[in-house]
Amino acid sequence: QKEVEQDPGPLSVPEGAIVSLNCTYSNSAFQYFMWYRQYSRKGPELLMYTYSSGNKEDGRFTAQVDKSSKYISLFIRDSQPSDSATYLCAMRFDNAGNMLTFGGGTRLMVKP
Amino acid sequence: GAGVSQSPRYKVAKRGQDVALRCDPISGHVSLFWYQQALGQGPEFLTYFQNEAQLDKSGLPSDRFFAERPEGSVSTLKIQRTQQEDSAVYLCASSLNRGKHEKLFFGSGTQLSVL
Repeated sequence: QKEVEQDPGPLSVPEGAIVSLNCTYSNSAFQYFMWYRQYSRKGPELLMYTYSSGNKEDGRFTAQVDKSSKYISLFIRDSQPSDSATYLCAMRFDNAGNMLTFGGGTRLMVKP
Repeated sequence: GAGVSQSPRYKVAKRGQDVALRCDPISGHVSLFWYQQALGQGPEFLTYFQNEAQLDKSGLPSDRFFAERPEGSVSTLKIQRTQQEDSAVYLCASSLNRGKHEKLFFGSGTQLSVL
């Protein structure tokens, strides 16, 4: 079993829908949680960064962390075709710098 | 440059060949990371440099993999005697390394295909 699990999708939604993406993890020592977006043939790009439990909002994106359940989520409001990409969750330990453990990614398709 | 640059963009190697993958990090970035991303999977950590010092190489899959960053800027990932299971995208990333909450910038990767 992988340390970080993520449904690979694909997830197909109509333009304007609210998208919910999730990851579960097994190691309770993870302290920092991130969401990356990766377009085809490109490197991952950081979207959201959260420390420990709680919510964080940035424009159309909201990240939630529930450490008691070892469950993190990313919500995208008013989804756009340009949001079509693979979304990777990532996490790290407190003193691990940027040595990240990634989920396998969820492919999202937003249809006009 | 404006971002992390990797070359070549694509590399095809015959099984048993040696390959060298290059990474030019963002100018002034102290930390440099290599990740391996298999098809349909998330990236997996390989190794980490702070300036020219390789501080962690725990993710390198075998002793056929070797990375260096001799002058603390450009880095090279070398794979000796390539095997089919080495086929993947190799991503390089860099960060400024000033504080804990620093952003990691990824290059577009080198796609390695071993035939």
